[in-house]
Amino acid sequence: KAGVTQTPRYLIKTRGQQVTLSCSPISGHRSVSWYQQTPGQGLQFLFEYFSETQRNKGNFPGRFSGRQFSNSRSEMNVSTLELGDSALYLCASRTGNGPQHFGDGTRLSIL
Amino acid sequence: ELKVEQNPLFLSMQEGKNYTIYCNYSTTSDRLYWYRQDPGKSLESLFVLLSNGAVKQEGRLMASLDTKARLSTLHITAAVHDLSATYFCAVWRDKIIFGKGTRLHILP
Repeated sequence: KAGVTQTPRYLIKTRGQQVTLSCSPISGHRSVSWYQQTPGQGLQFLFEYFSETQRNKGNFPGRFSGRQFSNSRSEMNVSTLELGDSALYLCASRTGNGPQHFGDGTRLSIL
Repeated sequence: ELKVEQNPLFLSMQEGKNYTIYCNYSTTSDRLYWYRQDPGKSLESLFVLLSNGAVKQEGRLMASLDTKARLSTLHITAAVHDLSATYFCAVWRDKIIFGKGTRLHILP
């Protein structure tokens, strides 16, 4: 069974640009969550989608947005990038009460 | 708002010793997860604890959950170098919130 796939693995952007990250969950998993991981703040919850609906949102500014498609694939968009957005962005999928299954992440660097 | 606190945040220990990582959380939940992360890698699920008194064991690791005390523990028995990693607990309350992680370094 294929795991969670995130693309791209690495991205370098400059301040003010926008970026879109993609996540394909494990087949059959309808819940997809996004996390930002930084050395200082640790793993912070961004949002969760289930059946194309945003179910929960973390404490991030509106520059961070996401969506989920009918095949459960999800995208996350960050607009007007800031230096502080440099991080590892992790996507996870799950089913029922099971654990989150994480992808390898997208490492975003802002210059 | 749900807060999840782990301690210690850093732990350096000798091979062969036992130790416990603690995970406290601030609001009621009966769903707790433990994960492992190796440097430069993603997170790997270790345990899912779904009820008060739940205990799970895998090799040298054992996790338990006390929902009344809002406390979970991850116990390491006779540590070996391969267990060096960062360990996270995560608690579900409408969404899954992670602790800051415990960086475990086991000295050979």
